[in-house]
Amino acid sequence: GENVEQHPSTLSVQEGDSAVIKCTYSDSASNYFPWYKQELGKRPQLIIDIRSNVGEKKDQRIAVTLNKTAKHFSLHITETQPEDSAVYFCAASNPNFNKFYFGSGTKLNVKP
Amino acid sequence: DAGVIQSPRHEVTEMGQEVTLRCKPISGHNSLFWYRQTMMRGLELLIYFNNNVPIDDSGMPEDRFSAKMPNASFSTLKIQPSEPRDSAVYFCASTRTEKNTEAFFGQGTRLTVV
Repeated sequence: GENVEQHPSTLSVQEGDSAVIKCTYSDSASNYFPWYKQELGKRPQLIIDIRSNVGEKKDQRIAVTLNKTAKHFSLHITETQPEDSAVYFCAASNPNFNKFYFGSGTKLNVKP
Repeated sequence: DAGVIQSPRHEVTEMGQEVTLRCKPISGHNSLFWYRQTMMRGLELLIYFNNNVPIDDSGMPEDRFSAKMPNASFSTLKIQPSEPRDSAVYFCASTRTEKNTEAFFGQGTRLTVV
């Protein structure tokens, strides 16, 4: 099956700085890579996703990059704000089984 | 649609008791996942159903855990007997299988086994 590794496990940045979270995956058949944000006590919710036919996708302050050759993808948050503080999960999906394999999560703390 | 609905939201039970968690996926979704979340292990996939059929239950920790999906609108996750180490938040998620698409999560059930 798929193995998704996520780093770092915790990340603390100053408000206004950028934050980068990185993930690697093992199954070359995976072709869908969503990112979820989980606020304290709430459910994970999709914030951005990317498919394997695209190398980069941006949505306002959030961007995701994908390197299929190296099997890694990253989440970039620019101009961080305190409300960005949460746990972020990356995931990789195999098209044959549509199972979402999640990374272990990154706890992001944005200090005002 | 009200989204993925899980019940109960919170469950406190004594060790050895049977626990049943329930999930109603989004109408029209044909894939359903059960996840367990703990601080130590993050989000773990327990079992995955497609068109009501269990496709992969390799994540189910042991025989004390079982899951069913009798129809497209209902699934249960049962733990019998429960143990303190089963304490976690259990999430149900659903999606459509055709094309890789977003998985929507329920609110989760916080289980505490004392």
